[in-house]
Amino acid sequence: SQTIHQWPATLVQPVGSPLSLECTVEGTSNPNLYWYRQAAGRGLQLLFYSVGIGQISSEVPQNLSASRPQDRQFILSSKKLLLSDSGFYLCAWTIAVRTVNTEAFFGQGTRLTVV
Amino acid sequence: GDSVTQMEGPVTLSEEAFLTINCTYTATGYPSLFWYVQYPGEGLQLLLKATKADDKGSNKGFEATYRKETTSFHLEKGSVQVSDSAVYFCALQSYNTDKLIFGTGTRLQVFP
Repeated sequence: SQTIHQWPATLVQPVGSPLSLECTVEGTSNPNLYWYRQAAGRGLQLLFYSVGIGQISSEVPQNLSASRPQDRQFILSSKKLLLSDSGFYLCAWTIAVRTVNTEAFFGQGTRLTVV
Repeated sequence: GDSVTQMEGPVTLSEEAFLTINCTYTATGYPSLFWYVQYPGEGLQLLLKATKADDKGSNKGFEATYRKETTSFHLEKGSVQVSDSAVYFCALQSYNTDKLIFGTGTRLQVFP
């Protein structure tokens, strides 16, 4: 069966420090991978998505970047965190089959607080 | 670009009332449409989906019909229960790019 792992669950970082959040998927190959930020009243904001290794689509210009160094690994990074980067970050995956769009499976999320 | 617009909440209903949560979308091509639900303290889970025009998705008494002519995918339930209290998200996945976007969510509160 497929599983998705996201860590850490909570993180408190000072302003100006770097960030690295990691997401890995098991039990499937060539998944679509997504990073979202969930904020109250704003729903799930798509930050980045990837349909293959090294292929990253950025949806929101900001202080964050994403990378996909391996097929089932998706990393969200920042060189210098801002206070506004605080939030709840979710990783998700879907099957990458164009003709059959299936459900998305979400990680447990990371609560990031920038202080 | 692609987008999803859903009604703002909260929606407050008495038990056994009829529920409608509106969702409209903008997309090129033929996207797939979804409703996800997030119960208190839990993660998002798929509630129902529809992959082409006129398809009706259904699950747990909830229904939504893919209306291409009105670009809508409204969620309905004939008789809500207290246990349906949650946040409901409408979502769209692009056929061409696999991009998956969500609406802002609608909080439903059902009182006995």
